Amino acid sequence: KQEVTQIPAALSVPEGENLVLNCSFTDSAIYNLQWFRQDPGKGLTSLLLIQSSQREQTSGRLNASLDKSSGRSTLYIAASQPGDSATYLCAVTNAGNNRKLIWGLGTSLAVNP
Amino acid sequence: NAGVTQTPKFQVLKTGQSMTLQCAQDMNHEYMSWYRQDPGMGLRLIHYSVGAVITDQGEVPNGYNVSRSTTEDFPLRLLSAAPSQTSVYFCASSYLGPYTEAFFGQGTRLTVV
Repeated sequence: KQEVTQIPAALSVPEGENLVLNCSFTDSAIYNLQWFRQDPGKGLTSLLLIQSSQREQTSGRLNASLDKSSGRSTLYIAASQPGDSATYLCAVTNAGNNRKLIWGLGTSLAVNP
Repeated sequence: NAGVTQTPKFQVLKTGQSMTLQCAQDMNHEYMSWYRQDPGMGLRLIHYSVGAVITDQGEVPNGYNVSRSTTEDFPLRLLSAAPSQTSVYFCASSYLGPYTEAFFGQGTRLTVV
């Protein structure tokens, strides 16, 4: 059974710092991996989607990498800003006709001015 | 572009009452799904639908019904509310299910007393 783990559960950093959020999964047979952002009291916003054949995806200050063989993905945030404060979740889609996302519990990030 | 719209945003129900959470998307997505989010348990899939033809159960379907008569709408019905159904509910849509980017509504915070 696929399990997705995100460590740490919470992170607090000063503004301007570059940071890395981690996501690990137990079954490397995945179709893709997605990173989402959730602001308090709001819905989720998709940040990046990495297909299993890809190594990384970039969007602005965000860079997500995928190492399928080791069951790991990282979300790199460059030059963090207070507006980046949110919970970041990762989710994987298992290979095969599953049609379901398997979710981590998220990392709550606070960027302090 | 409205995206995914959920109503209501907040709801308080008495035990045993029934109600319907509404979800509509204007992106012509085939795949729609309902999740509940509880502290420490992450996002759990309740039901999902592929087009106005197929609906199927997720991890936690008991106590909930869904229907999909149009591509745009995917209501979630609570048959007889119980305190265990107190949660935040999210509707999501995507073009090809978990194989493509997911778009989420803002959520409905439901309290059952």
